[in-house]
Amino acid sequence: GAVVSQHPSWVICKSGTSVKIECRSLDFQATTMFWYRQFPKQSLMLMATSNEGSKATYEQGVEKDKFLINHASLTLSTLTVTSAHPEDSSFYICSAPPGDVNQPQHFGDGTRLSIL
Amino acid sequence: DAKTTQPNSMESNEEEPVHLPCNHSTISGTDYIHWYRQLPSQGPEYVIHGLTSNVNNRMASLAIAEDRKSSTLILHRATLRDAAVYYCILRGYSGAGSYQLTFGKGTKLSVIP
Repeated sequence: GAVVSQHPSWVICKSGTSVKIECRSLDFQATTMFWYRQFPKQSLMLMATSNEGSKATYEQGVEKDKFLINHASLTLSTLTVTSAHPEDSSFYICSAPPGDVNQPQHFGDGTRLSIL
Repeated sequence: DAKTTQPNSMESNEEEPVHLPCNHSTISGTDYIHWYRQLPSQGPEYVIHGLTSNVNNRMASLAIAEDRKSSTLILHRATLRDAAVYYCILRGYSGAGSYQLTFGKGTKLSVIP
């Protein structure tokens, strides 16, 4: 069964709207979660690392004021796309790593975001 | 993360074995070799991983070269549901919070009925 739950799976909204995406770890605690973005026919690109109880770490070129990340508990991280525009339309995927490098990383099913 | 090189695409006939290669010549001694696959409009799915020895699970087998500079993911009987992009990723620990996976372009596997 799924060990990382991502919600919503699909959202369409108007330009200028803020959209929140939730990522929950099921049956395990995740002090760190990763947020990826994937454009059509491209690979996953890491956007930021979400850390429980502290500020997120953003990859170069990712606007932290645009993509707000909150990791308020050991099982929930949220990504808010603020004042979304059509160029923010993408597939957003979260993942939660295990505590051991010898274990697989778990991914959410992704959120398809379409900004009109 | 050390880099991997995979062919952009491969084709296989249904019910035949598939060998997906991956080169990782700069692998370090502590890097694990992970394979994930991604079906259309889904998040990546774990397939298999290994360090030095060959590995088998219900989904696939992983053959690792003796010098660890390359590996091969083996699907024993390809089905239409195996059509996906397969990513070969090296994963090692390099400090707090450093288990992140860096995705390359992967290999798009097409399965022909």
